[in-house]
Amino acid sequence: GQQLNQSPQSMFIQEGEDVSMNCTSSSIFNTWLWYKQDPGEGPVLLIALYKAGELTSNGRLTAQFGITRKDSFLNISASIPSDVGIYFCAGNNAGNMLTFGGGTRLMVKP
Amino acid sequence: DSGVTQTPKHLITATGQRVTLRCSPRSGDLSVYWYQQSLDQGLQFLIQYYNGEERAKGNILERFSAQQFPDLHSELNLSSLELGDSALYFCASSVQVSGAEQYFGPGTRLTVT
Repeated sequence: GQQLNQSPQSMFIQEGEDVSMNCTSSSIFNTWLWYKQDPGEGPVLLIALYKAGELTSNGRLTAQFGITRKDSFLNISASIPSDVGIYFCAGNNAGNMLTFGGGTRLMVKP
Repeated sequence: DSGVTQTPKHLITATGQRVTLRCSPRSGDLSVYWYQQSLDQGLQFLIQYYNGEERAKGNILERFSAQQFPDLHSELNLSSLELGDSALYFCASSVQVSGAEQYFGPGTRLTVT
């Protein structure tokens, strides 16, 4: 089945730093989504992308739908402590299910 | 708060037992999706219902079943439970039948002992 490879798997951030993560697929998707999950909570939708090449922002978050339709990128600018959590990419093909990546865990540098 | 509610929050049961997880979608959403999240498999789609009818099936075991009622709430039934069924179970909802933008509930943590 389809698989989404998300990288990095984990990263440490220092307050104020910019963060980048990406997601790649072996096949194309019509829609890319980014979710954030805090411990003990359900995933929260951050951004949805519908067109190849599309760049969409939500506050300090910016995501891009790759031109090949097989990848997507998420950037967080000027990170703050509450950005800590697990970020998931997900793909959808006008079907019914979301296919999720393995997640990128953001942690605070000690 | 996504507007999706799930009960119970936690469930501890023994192998071989049967449990029912409940989900109420956001007001106005007709589609309900169930996902399982485990450490080794990540977030996996199980099944979708739209306006009372089953629309799509994913990696759902024969021992699991679901239904959506006329008031649009949904229940996921897990039977003959095994240790490996221990996981977080999430419900999500969307307005459309092919809803890419799915909104997740807080989940039910199932522990099978």
